[in-house]
Amino acid sequence: QKEVEQNSGPLSVPEGAIASLNCTYSDRGSQSFFWYRQYSGKSPELIMFIYSNGDKEDGRFTAQLNKASQYVSLLIRDSQPSDSATYLCAVQNTGTASKLTFGTGTRLQVTL
Amino acid sequence: GAGVSQSPSNKVTEKGKDVELRCDPISGHTALYWYRQSLGQGLEFLIYFQGNSAPDKSGLPSDRFSAERTGGSVSTLTIQRTQQEDSAVYLCASSFSGRNSPLHFGNGTRLTVT
Repeated sequence: QKEVEQNSGPLSVPEGAIASLNCTYSDRGSQSFFWYRQYSGKSPELIMFIYSNGDKEDGRFTAQLNKASQYVSLLIRDSQPSDSATYLCAVQNTGTASKLTFGTGTRLQVTL
Repeated sequence: GAGVSQSPSNKVTEKGKDVELRCDPISGHTALYWYRQSLGQGLEFLIYFQGNSAPDKSGLPSDRFSAERTGGSVSTLTIQRTQQEDSAVYLCASSFSGRNSPLHFGNGTRLTVT
């Protein structure tokens, strides 16, 4: 079982729709959760982080965390073609280590 | 600087040569990380620094790989006797404290071993 699992996609959504990206993790002690966006040939850029159960909103983005289910998601509202990228989920168990463990990413395609 | 700076941006080397990759983190960030990403693959953790010490070097793939950090700032990743499987993008990231603190990535060094 991978430590952080994401569906590789591609996930295709029409412009203006809501894109839902999901991530599950195996380390129940994980405490910090991050979403990064990576355009082809570029380095990852931070979108959001979440530490507590529930929802956290920032503009068009909402991160959702459910520690009991070991599940974290990212919703992108009003999807734009510029949102087309690979989205990386990362988790951190600050009790045992400081490294972030990354999933392999979900490729999102927003179509016109 | 405003962001994490890595050099060189591209490096082509012959198999068996040594290479040094440099990372200059965001000023004031105590934690520094090295990851690598092979074509079409995820991010593979290599090593983590807190200040000048490396409490987690569990991701270094072999003893050909080493890294150091001096003055709590600049870090160098050295790969000795490079092999073709070392070809990848090497990403450096820094964070304010290393715990509950997001990583900010540099633009990476693309290493090609011929």
